[in-house]
Formats: sequence, structure tokens, C-alpha cells
Amino acid sequence: DQQVKQNSPSLSVQEGRISILNCDYTNSMFDYFLWYKKYPAEGPTFLISISSIKDKNEDGRFTVFLNKSAKHLSLHIVPSQPGDSAVYFCAASAEGANNLFFGTGTRLTVIP
Amino acid sequence: DAGVIQSPRHEVTEMGQEVTLRCKPISGHDYLFWYRQTMMRGLELLIYFNNNVPIDDSGMPEDRFSAKMPNASFSTLKIQPSEPRDSAVYFCASSFRTSGNSSYNEQFFGPGTRLTVL
Repeated sequence: DQQVKQNSPSLSVQEGRISILNCDYTNSMFDYFLWYKKYPAEGPTFLISISSIKDKNEDGRFTVFLNKSAKHLSLHIVPSQPGDSAVYFCAASAEGANNLFFGTGTRLTVIP
Repeated sequence: DAGVIQSPRHEVTEMGQEVTLRCKPISGHDYLFWYRQTMMRGLELLIYFNNNVPIDDSGMPEDRFSAKMPNASFSTLKIQPSEPRDSAVYFCASSFRTSGNSSYNEQFFGPGTRLTVL
């Protein structure tokens, strides 16, 4: 049973525009959420995270929004750049737990 | 730091053969995780260790899979016998738990091993 879901397998965006990647989760015990970025032939790398006590976290061009009541989070990239083209994984963790639950990933293509 | 090291990077084998994947975590990290990536299920946690001790192996698909961590700098994931449905990319990741109230610590991933079972 997939506890973290990314329903869009792919997304294409023009360079300079906003990219919005979505993620839903089912486990109400999750209290920490992360986004990882993965290039081909490489392992995922940490991008940005958010704790459940916040509803927004920003780091440069990347912002993550959390809506706890809807069990939904999103990653906004603005402006999008061709180098942002990668697979983005959403992940979640419960308080005190050491393991992460990952989604299936969304492949973002930024068109120059 | 060299990061998490995995070997081999690619493995092609025939059904029924034994496969051993290797991982060297980042020095000083006390948690080690094995994941499998497939199109259908994304990144699945197979097993994780803390201080070389297996903590949760509920993600291991069946008895054909086994993992060991004989010391803090080395872990193996073994599949015996291998089957075509085991074809996937297998990632190893490591992390360390800091003191304080942080509920989670970032995991650092290796480059993965692409396994193909014919």
C-alpha cells in the first residue's frame, strides 16, 4: 500500500515558468516531509524539507507547501531552469522513526 | 568525503544465480538503508540497520533476499536465487542521528546498482 503518492508521473514546463510538483500522503502520523531530486545514473539527493509545524519552507527558487488537513504537499520551482530537469521524489517520515516512505516520483522536463 | 559507495554499478545475471550487492556508507554514519527502485512502486525501503544491527526488514520481499552489515563500513544485499522480477535499481543510503529534537536526519544515497536478471 503506497502511503506517499505522486499521481503525476511526468511534467513539462517552459524555462522561466513555475513548476509545481504535487504529493499526497495517507498516514496522519507523518510529521516530516522531504523532496529529493534524482538525475539519471545517480542516487537521489536531498533538496528541501518541511516539518509539520510549518506550512511553508523556502530555499532560493524552491518552496515547499504543506497542507496537513488535506494531507498534501507541493514543491514549487520558480523560475524553472533546464538544469532542474530530473525525477523528483516526495518522502515522509513519522516522529521518532528513522525510515522514509517515498512516492513513485515525477519526471520534470524544463524546456529551453 | 567520497559519499556512499556501491558496487557493482551494473549487474547482469541469469535467473537462478546468486547476486551480491555491496555498499560502503559515509564514515561516521550510524544508519544504513537498502532501497529498491521500480517504476510501479518508486523507492521501496527493503531493510535498514542502526549501528550494524538490522532494525526493520519488513520490506524485504521474500526469503530469497538477505542483508548483512558485518561492520560499520560495509553492507551486502544478497539475492539467491535471483528471478527476472528482481530486475531494478538498488540503492544504499546512510545517515546519522544528531542530538536534539529533530525528528529526522537527511539520508545520503549512493549511485545505485542496476540489476538485470535474464
